[in-house]
Amino acid sequence: DAKTTQPPSMDCAEGRAANLPCNHSTISGNEYVYWYRQIHSQGPQYIIHGLKNNETNEMASLIITEDRKSSTLILPHATLRDTAVYYCIVRVATSSGNTPLVFGKGTRLSVIA
Amino acid sequence: DTEVTQTPKHLVMGMTNKKSLKCEQHMGHRAMYWYKQKAKKPPELMFVYSYEKLSINESVPSRFSPECPNSSLLNLHLHALQPEDSALYLCAISPGTQTLNTEAFFGQGTRLTVV
Repeated sequence: DAKTTQPPSMDCAEGRAANLPCNHSTISGNEYVYWYRQIHSQGPQYIIHGLKNNETNEMASLIITEDRKSSTLILPHATLRDTAVYYCIVRVATSSGNTPLVFGKGTRLSVIA
Repeated sequence: DTEVTQTPKHLVMGMTNKKSLKCEQHMGHRAMYWYKQKAKKPPELMFVYSYEKLSINESVPSRFSPECPNSSLLNLHLHALQPEDSALYLCAISPGTQTLNTEAFFGQGTRLTVV
């Protein structure tokens, strides 16, 4: 089962920052937060991941609260091509030591012109 | 460019057919995954392979049969499927299965329709 809660949908004006929240109150100390997005009918695309420090790359920034119970993905200047379903995933090790990605329902972000 | 190549992109098969989905990678990653995604739902994990050995089977019906013949190739053999098995089938890879700190890469999927 997914360990995250996200709003089902959000809108963002083109050119503005998109801030996507994620709650993961049961996260453990060694578990990472990952963000992926999926544009209609394509495979999920990796965006960013982090443990406890804020992270930034060419696509987005990830802000993780100090208690690690929630995080926010920031797309600094949203474009129409950023319209997609965004998945926040806490990567957990199974009892056998595997670490597959388990997807929750995600947030459908609509960027509006 | 995607590091994970899935073929075919689209497949229509009858309920009595046998077909196979293929996933190929040349990144040398040792963990390979199959996911199933129904319309408007998130991807669901089906199988995990680690170093060419089946590591996780998420109680998938036996009409789906995975195979990992070498470190670059992952197959999903399909037999006697039902219309409700129609979905997008996604392959993913990651460097290993024992670490939480490496991203996984997904292919573009095979859109399967069972008639």
